[in-house]
Amino acid sequence: AQTVTQSQPEMSVQEAETVTLSCTYDTSESDYYLFWYKQPPSRQMILVIRQEAYKQQNATENRFSVNFQKAAKSFSLKISDSQLGDAAMYFCAYRSAFGNEKLTFGTGTRLTIIP
Amino acid sequence: DGGITQSPKYLFRKEGQNVTLSCEQNLNHDAMYWYRQDPGQGLRLIYYSQIVNDFQKGDIAEGYSVSREKKESFPLTVTSAQKNPTAFYLCASSMGIQETQYFGPGTRLLVL
Repeated sequence: AQTVTQSQPEMSVQEAETVTLSCTYDTSESDYYLFWYKQPPSRQMILVIRQEAYKQQNATENRFSVNFQKAAKSFSLKISDSQLGDAAMYFCAYRSAFGNEKLTFGTGTRLTIIP
Repeated sequence: DGGITQSPKYLFRKEGQNVTLSCEQNLNHDAMYWYRQDPGQGLRLIYYSQIVNDFQKGDIAEGYSVSREKKESFPLTVTSAQKNPTAFYLCASSMGIQETQYFGPGTRLLVL
């Protein structure tokens, strides 16, 4: 079974600085998708970024980018120019590309932005 | 506006009572999902549905039931068999089973 590990329960960053959230996963599959979701205090899960394992290029969405290391099974999220609105729980998630409907989530990292 | 709505925002259940959580989407998505979130944990899949009139159990389906009579709607019933129902419940949908899942705002269920 696939597992997703987020080893940083909490992180903090100064406003306008850069922070990196870590995620590792375990799978025997060769093709899959990885996601970062943000859960602000409203508790709605919001998609931040998606990475397809067969693509070597790291995904980028404005101030959010990932460092995808397939051999190391690592998928970190970098947030540049941190803003107060970035404060939230961040969840890393995995989904197989082979007909598996399930998203497997990590336990999350709580990100605090210091003004 | 297209999106996913869940109601109610808060729900209280008495012992031995069944309660139903609503999930509606107007995104024309084929697939819908129910997840449960407990404090300090990620989400766990309860049930999912790929098409109307079809649904499958997820990892923690015991004590829950669903129906999918319309494409737009996927209600979740928390039955009295679910002994620890207090949690945050999130509904999601996707264009297809292989597509990215988008989430509703959630329902907080509390036991009186």
